[in-house]
Amino acid sequence: EDKVVQSPLSLVVHEGDTVTLNCSYEVTNFRSLLWYKQEKKAPTFLFMLTSSGIEKKSGRLSSILDKKELFSILNITATQTGDSAIYLCAVGIMEYGNKLVFGAGTILRVKS
Amino acid sequence: NAGVTQTPKFRILKIGQSMTLQCAQDMNHNYMYWYRQDPGMGLKLIYYSVGAGITDKGEVPNGYNVSRSTTEDFPLRLELAAPSQTSVYFCASSYSDRQLYSNQPQHFGDGTRLSIL
Repeated sequence: EDKVVQSPLSLVVHEGDTVTLNCSYEVTNFRSLLWYKQEKKAPTFLFMLTSSGIEKKSGRLSSILDKKELFSILNITATQTGDSAIYLCAVGIMEYGNKLVFGAGTILRVKS
Repeated sequence: NAGVTQTPKFRILKIGQSMTLQCAQDMNHNYMYWYRQDPGMGLKLIYYSVGAGITDKGEVPNGYNVSRSTTEDFPLRLELAAPSQTSVYFCASSYSDRQLYSNQPQHFGDGTRLSIL
């Protein structure tokens, strides 16, 4: 059974802190790993990673994939209250339908 | 730029009632998906479609039905609502020109919060 596990399940930090969110996976046919941010409504796309060791960056957010150890991390530096959200990790499966398997998410709360 | 539009945003149903959750996308995406999200459980795939006229079951299809008569629309139907179907439902879409590989992310609608009492 394909499985994606995120840790921690929840996290409370203060503005300005740096956080690291973890995502490990066990899937049969790996295609890609995606990170989404979910505030009140729709999950919004952050990053797609397909190759090991190549960091993707967008402002204060960055992510990297390790396909040998089967995990990814999402880093957020200089956190702001607007970073408070659920962060979802999903793994794309290389099979008919281009399906995603989601982790349970990490709830991040940034206090001012 | 509408993207993926879901209606209604909220609904309360009685046990045994039926309803249809609507999903429409204007991005000309060929792939569409329905998920449910329960607290602490992530998103679970209910049904998906790779194009008009083609639908397939996902991980948790029991109690639901779908149809895909056009590229734009992908409604989800609950025939006999049960309390276990209380959840937040998300529709998503993506584009792929290859059957087994996509380098495009899925884009999500804002969700429908459904309560069954």
